[in-house]
Amino acid sequence: DTEVTQTPKHLVMGMTNKKSLKCEQHMGHRAMYWYKQKAKKPPELMFVYSYEKLSINESVPSRFSPECPNSSLLNLHLHALQPEDSALYLCASSHRTGYEQYFGPGTRLTVT
Amino acid sequence: GDSVTQMEGPVTLSEEAFLTINCTYTATGYPSLFWYVQYPGEGLQLLLKATKADDKGSNKGFEATYRKETTSFHLEKGSVQVSDSAVYFCALSDLANAGKSTFGDGTTLTVKP
Repeated sequence: DTEVTQTPKHLVMGMTNKKSLKCEQHMGHRAMYWYKQKAKKPPELMFVYSYEKLSINESVPSRFSPECPNSSLLNLHLHALQPEDSALYLCASSHRTGYEQYFGPGTRLTVT
Repeated sequence: GDSVTQMEGPVTLSEEAFLTINCTYTATGYPSLFWYVQYPGEGLQLLLKATKADDKGSNKGFEATYRKETTSFHLEKGSVQVSDSAVYFCALSDLANAGKSTFGDGTTLTVKP
């Protein structure tokens, strides 16, 4: 199984809502990532987990809160987002940090 | 810091044409190099990789060679198809930089029949 799954596929939320994005992989990878991608731009790294511990936080606003409950799951909790946070949110995993990454299909988030 | 520079796009080719997308990099350590492809409405997919100098990565007719002397990793394909239309990202991962990945800006390829 070389698949990274993400749910939901699409999400529309108001600025006062709380929602969560979910990501799952069963490849035994010990590094997992969250990226934000705006249209016609490369992915921007948000967070990296290595062996279920947060290893990189790219100065992301606190309205984004990551969580890694176990080695297969990665969540991104969203609260009080702004319209400029609307984007495609991509999850990825890799054997270890520095190795090739396997991406999920993404969650298309719209903040109204 | 690390950086990746890709040739500016978009690139439009006729089917069966030869493709080159240039990529150069700067890195602190000895990075691994990757090409990823993104089809419309999808996430990125690994296309090929090279982990050390002179390695050649290849997949689905695409090739790229890790050139340390010119700090380049150009993507080539001898005969493109309409189905190759996508955005291509050159990227590096540098263990000297906590294994973080750095992506180029992406090159949009359109192949016309």
